[in-house]
Amino acid sequence: DTEVTQTPKHLVMGMTNKKSLKCEQHMGHRAMYWYKQKAKKPPELMFVYSYEKLSINESVPSRFSPECPNSSLLNLHLHALQPEDSALYLCASSPRLAGPADTQYFGPGTRLTVL
Amino acid sequence: AQSVTQLGSHVSVSEGALVLLRCNYSSSVPPYLFWYVQYPNQGLQLLLKYTSAATLVKGINGFEAEFKKSETSFHLTKPSAHMSDAAEYFCAANTGNQFYFGTGTSLTVIP
Repeated sequence: DTEVTQTPKHLVMGMTNKKSLKCEQHMGHRAMYWYKQKAKKPPELMFVYSYEKLSINESVPSRFSPECPNSSLLNLHLHALQPEDSALYLCASSPRLAGPADTQYFGPGTRLTVL
Repeated sequence: AQSVTQLGSHVSVSEGALVLLRCNYSSSVPPYLFWYVQYPNQGLQLLLKYTSAATLVKGINGFEAEFKKSETSFHLTKPSAHMSDAAEYFCAANTGNQFYFGTGTSLTVIP
């Protein structure tokens, strides 16, 4: 099973709302990633967790707050977002962080719209 | 710096024609290269990957890619395009700490 699941599939929120995105994998992977993707653009890395610890934060604004409660679950908490944050948010996982030959497996994404 | 370049942001082919999507990597990129496909409003799906075991890599859906070190290329091909191949294609390089994605190529298949 190489499945990464993400919920919700779609999310519409106002700029004052607080919401969370959820990602789950049961492949035993120890590296998990959040990406942001604008239309017709490649994914942009936001955060990387390795063994449930934040390893990489690509200078993401504090209105995005990641959390890794356990090795299978990754959350992205959203607060006071701006309309320009509207995008497809992708979660991915790989067996380990520093594995050059390792494949990243992507979830279907959450389409976020900020009004 | 590591980089991956995809030549041609849009490629159109007729149904049944050869598909060729180009990807070149910078010389500092280690030879761990990937092709992903993304259908509208979906995540990225792995098509194939090169990890030095063989220069010609076969993937899913009839796609294959050939690693050419002398040309620093990893072009994606399919002998006969199908309507269902219409999608966005991303070439990527894995340095171990991060994936570097190309800018993507949008493939249109004309009936």
